[in-house]
Amino acid sequence: DADVTQTPRNRITKTGKRIMLECSQTKGHDRMYWYRQDPGLGLRLIYYSFDVKDINKGEISDGYSVSRQAQAKFSLSLESAIPNQTALYFCATSDSGSVGNEQFFGPGTRLTVL
Amino acid sequence: AQKITQTQPGMFVQEKEAVTLDCTYDTSDPSYGLFWYKQPSSGEMIFLIYQGSYDQQNATEGRYSLNFQKARKSANLVISASQLGDSAMYFCAMRGSGGSEKLVFGKGTKLTVNP
Repeated sequence: DADVTQTPRNRITKTGKRIMLECSQTKGHDRMYWYRQDPGLGLRLIYYSFDVKDINKGEISDGYSVSRQAQAKFSLSLESAIPNQTALYFCATSDSGSVGNEQFFGPGTRLTVL
Repeated sequence: AQKITQTQPGMFVQEKEAVTLDCTYDTSDPSYGLFWYKQPSSGEMIFLIYQGSYDQQNATEGRYSLNFQKARKSANLVISASQLGDSAMYFCAMRGSGGSEKLVFGKGTKLTVNP
């Protein structure tokens, strides 16, 4: 089983709809992140959480919200989806106790907003 | 502000040969980490290798090595004995000290391994 899972893997929605992307991990990591990837722009950080009670905005948080329901679960919501939120979304985790604090990514959710 | 630059949009290499993917970075943090990730056409992001700014030796992981030149602010990825399965996008990323611990990514290099 994958260490970091994301659901759904693909989603098509309409402008104005609220949707939630979910992330679960079995790695036991304390830190979790949400990124989006757009062609030619690389990955950009949306939100991050260092523990259940710690939520922080990343560089592109407008239009998004998150919830850390448990150490293993971190969900991303689009309150009112718009077409320019069409992107590939990645959840990532890291262990604050590791030397490099390298981040491990889920398989991604491909979101299309019509 | 931290910045990663990957100047090679695409690279080609023959199977079994070595290839170097370039990465330069800019940061004012005294402590930072450098990472390389591989993204195959299936889309997942796979962690390859890490180099800490205070590490004296270049990092190696199997066929991957990181050529770290601190004075030049470069962190090139070297893949030895290329395989067809190495064809993918490769991203260089940097994590600064303190704060979000977020990764700042370059725009990537698309590597194609020819048989």
